[in-house]
Amino acid sequence: RKEVEQDPGPFNVPEGATVAFNCTYSNSASQSFFWYRQDCRKEPKLLMSVYSSGNEDGRFTAQLNRASQYISLLIRDSKLSDSATYLCVVNRGYYRGSTLGRLYFGRGTQLTVWP
Amino acid sequence: DVKVTQSSRYLVKRTGEKVFLECVQDMDHENMFWYRQDPGLGLRLIYFSYDVKMKEKGDIPEGYSVSREKKERFSLILESASTNQTSMYLCASISRGGNQPQHFGDGTRLSIL
Repeated sequence: RKEVEQDPGPFNVPEGATVAFNCTYSNSASQSFFWYRQDCRKEPKLLMSVYSSGNEDGRFTAQLNRASQYISLLIRDSKLSDSATYLCVVNRGYYRGSTLGRLYFGRGTQLTVWP
Repeated sequence: DVKVTQSSRYLVKRTGEKVFLECVQDMDHENMFWYRQDPGLGLRLIYFSYDVKMKEKGDIPEGYSVSREKKERFSLILESASTNQTSMYLCASISRGGNQPQHFGDGTRLSIL
């Protein structure tokens, strides 16, 4: 079973729409969680960390459900500039006995926002 | 801001060549990583290093080696390049502690002819 699974999409939405991405992770010992954004032919960039209580950054809201091992990202009032691939990322925290920051990446969900 | 710099954005090499990809970070991070990214396969970890001269295999180390002689520099080596190593290569770094996000370089798009 993959460490991190997410719906690859693509999601095609009009400007102003609300869109939600979901992600599940397999290791219950995972300690930290992130959403990254990757534009075409560019490197992944951190969009936001995900906290147990849920957190918001402008139009973006991230939620974590540790019991279900489920992470979500909600984008409200979509903009053309939101078009990108969104990567769900999990840090197990420990790897081969060390507190190494090994991250596990989902394959990404592609979003296209159209005018 | 963390800066991770990869030596080349685009590189074209021939089959059988020895290829060096260099990565430098300026934040004194202990941990550094090399990934490759291919369409439909996502990011796959090749090798990582948690200290100078220390290295660990990731999920797809075959055909690659690495070198970490200085803390700020992590090199990926393709011993004898093959066409199936044509890919986007991404370097990343992170401080020790386990709960931080990684910071990525711009990536090297490598083509093996």
